Amino acid sequence: QVTLKESGPVLVKPTETLTLTCTVSGFSLSNARMGVSWIRQPPGKALEWLAHIFSNDEKWYSTSLKTRLTISKDTSKSQVVLSMTNVDPVDTATYYCARVNGILPLDYWGQGALVTVSS
Amino acid sequence: DIVMTQTPLSLSVTPGQPASISCKSSQSLLHSDGKTYLYWYLQKPGQSPQLLIYEVSSRFSGVPDRFSGSGSGTDFTLKISRVEAEDVGVYYCMQDIHLFSFGPGTKVDIK
Repeated sequence: QVTLKESGPVLVKPTETLTLTCTVSGFSLSNARMGVSWIRQPPGKALEWLAHIFSNDEKWYSTSLKTRLTISKDTSKSQVVLSMTNVDPVDTATYYCARVNGILPLDYWGQGALVTVSS
Repeated sequence: DIVMTQTPLSLSVTPGQPASISCKSSQSLLHSDGKTYLYWYLQKPGQSPQLLIYEVSSRFSGVPDRFSGSGSGTDFTLKISRVEAEDVGVYYCMQDIHLFSFGPGTKVDIK
C-alpha cells in the first residue's frame, strides 16, 4: 500500500526557514521509476507545484521560487525534505507531497500539511 | 515557463447531464518521444487531489469510464458523459513536459 505523509511545523514566523518532511511507504525512493514532488495550495486557491526530486537525485524547482527552495531525500529513511527560506505570510498554504511513478505523475498524494506564516 | 489556462472556471451541472472543461497550454505539450504530457486531476471537497487522466486520454486505475480526455498540442478537453453527485470538486489540468504546472482549476457543482 502506497502512502505519503507530510510533517512539519504548523506555525512559522516571517523570515524563518520552513522545513517539511514527506515520509513514504509502499515504494522505494531508489526505484528508478520513482520521484516525489511538493505542491502547495493557499487557502481557497489553486495548486502550485514547487519542486521535484528523481531517484537519481536530479532536482527540479519552480522558476519563481527556486532561489528559496531546497529539496533532498534520505532513501534509507524513505523521506523527502523540502526547505523554504525567508517565508512570508503569502506562503501560508497546505503543502502536499506526491509520488511520480514513471509515466504517472502525482499518482499518490499525502493528506497535506497546513502551514501558517504569521508573527 | 508553460502557462496553463482553463475554461470555464466554474460549472454547475444537472445530474445525468454531460460536462466539458477546456485546458490550453502556452506551448505544445507534444514531446519528441511522441507522447503528450497532459494530465487531469480532481480535488474533491476536503480531500487531496487525485489523478484522473494521464497522457491526454488514458484513464488512471479505478476512474469511471464516464470520464474521457482528448486533445493535442496545446488544446485539451475533459468530458464527463453523465455527471454524478460524487463528481463535484475542482478539476485541474497539469503539464510536465517542462517542469510541472497546473491550470487555475474549474469548480464543478451540482444544480
